[in-house]
Amino acid sequence: AQKVTQAQTEISVVEKEDVTLDCVYETRDTTYYLFWYKQPPSGELVFLIRRNSFDEQNEISGRYSWNFQKSTSSFNFTITASQVVDSAVYFCALSEGEGTNAGKSTFGDGTTLTVKP
Amino acid sequence: SAVISQKPSRDICQRGTSLTIQCQVDSQVTMMFWYRQQPGQSLTLIATANQGSEATYESGFVIDKFPISRPNLTFSTLTVSNMSPEDSSIYLCSVEDFSGRTDTQYFGPGTRLTVL
Repeated sequence: AQKVTQAQTEISVVEKEDVTLDCVYETRDTTYYLFWYKQPPSGELVFLIRRNSFDEQNEISGRYSWNFQKSTSSFNFTITASQVVDSAVYFCALSEGEGTNAGKSTFGDGTTLTVKP
Repeated sequence: SAVISQKPSRDICQRGTSLTIQCQVDSQVTMMFWYRQQPGQSLTLIATANQGSEATYESGFVIDKFPISRPNLTFSTLTVSNMSPEDSSIYLCSVEDFSGRTDTQYFGPGTRLTVL
């Protein structure tokens, strides 16, 4: 069975601070995908990144960066120089890559990030 | 990227009635899924909508309560039957395309359902 743990329920930072959102996952599959999504107060789920299990390269996109470490089963997300508009709930998710369960995602409980001006 | 639309975007319904939610994708996709997000909670997979055959339901969800159709590769419906206040949630359609064109997963804007 798959499991995704986001231990941080809520994080509050002041604008321009860096913040890291943690994600730890469990799976028996060798082929899988990891995702991060942002859900602002409007409710829509915004796709941020998808990483497959064979690609451990860290990725940077503007102020966002992701650190994928298979050795610790972690896929952490860092926002640099946070802004008020970053305030949202962030979900980490895990999806199987093969077999009958391919494409089905298991979500963590989410981390609510509040960025104060 | 795949563009997904859902109808209705929100609805307020009475206990005991049923609501059908539509999901339309702008291109053919391999897989379509339905998720539920209860207030203040994370997303939970309801079922996989299979084209031309019965949907595959996750533990805790049954066809009588959540009948699903998928007549083609771009469209699916989810019905929430005999609703109760506990069914108040956001229902999201999701697609995953392994055709090589997108190779990722996208979510629709969601349908916010309130049951009185």
